[in-house]
Amino acid sequence: DTEVTQTPKHLVMGMTNKKSLKCEQHMGHRAMYWYKQKAKKPPELMFVYSYEKLSINESVPSRFSPECPNSSLLNLHLHALQPEDSALYLCASSQETTDRNEKLFFGSGTQLSVL
Amino acid sequence: AQKVTQAQTEISVVEKEDVTLDCVYETRDTTYYLFWYKQPPSGELVFLIRRNSFDEQNEISGRYSWNFQKSTSSFNFTITASQVVDSAVYFCALRDSGGYQKVTFGTGTKLQVIP
Repeated sequence: DTEVTQTPKHLVMGMTNKKSLKCEQHMGHRAMYWYKQKAKKPPELMFVYSYEKLSINESVPSRFSPECPNSSLLNLHLHALQPEDSALYLCASSQETTDRNEKLFFGSGTQLSVL
Repeated sequence: AQKVTQAQTEISVVEKEDVTLDCVYETRDTTYYLFWYKQPPSGELVFLIRRNSFDEQNEISGRYSWNFQKSTSSFNFTITASQVVDSAVYFCALRDSGGYQKVTFGTGTKLQVIP
């Protein structure tokens, strides 16, 4: 079983809906990530939180709003999405060190469909 | 800028055959880190191996082996005696000094092992 838990596994929403994706890890990692993955494409980095502070925002549209309530939780709030936002959203975590050798631990993702 | 190329989009092999997945990278840094991740149909990416640029020693782990050659900027992955459970998408990834939390993924190679 993965040590990064994402809910829900599947989500269908309309363009006017507001929904949230949740991610949780209990490995004591202090860096958490959101990635977006379109079908047959590699994951694309969206956001990085380091010690609960947003450290990287890869020019993501404001209809995606990340939140890190504490060191174990990461949310992604969705509002007024477009059909092209349909994708697999992956959460990941890593130990927050300056060691660039550290590996990422991924969740199973939320498959999002925007109608 | 960093770049990872996986020229093989899809590979099909018959069970028990050996298969090599190619990865070629580009970076201007002398210090960098290479990774391989496996993404089974369930969605989560699973870490397989990491290598730093100062360690060109090849590695073998069970049926898996990796060949790192700085001279050709390649980090190839070989599965010996493939099994159906090896069917997945495999991503090669690179992290350099340009942003220690940023990992650049290749486009992935989908491996299908036919029984």
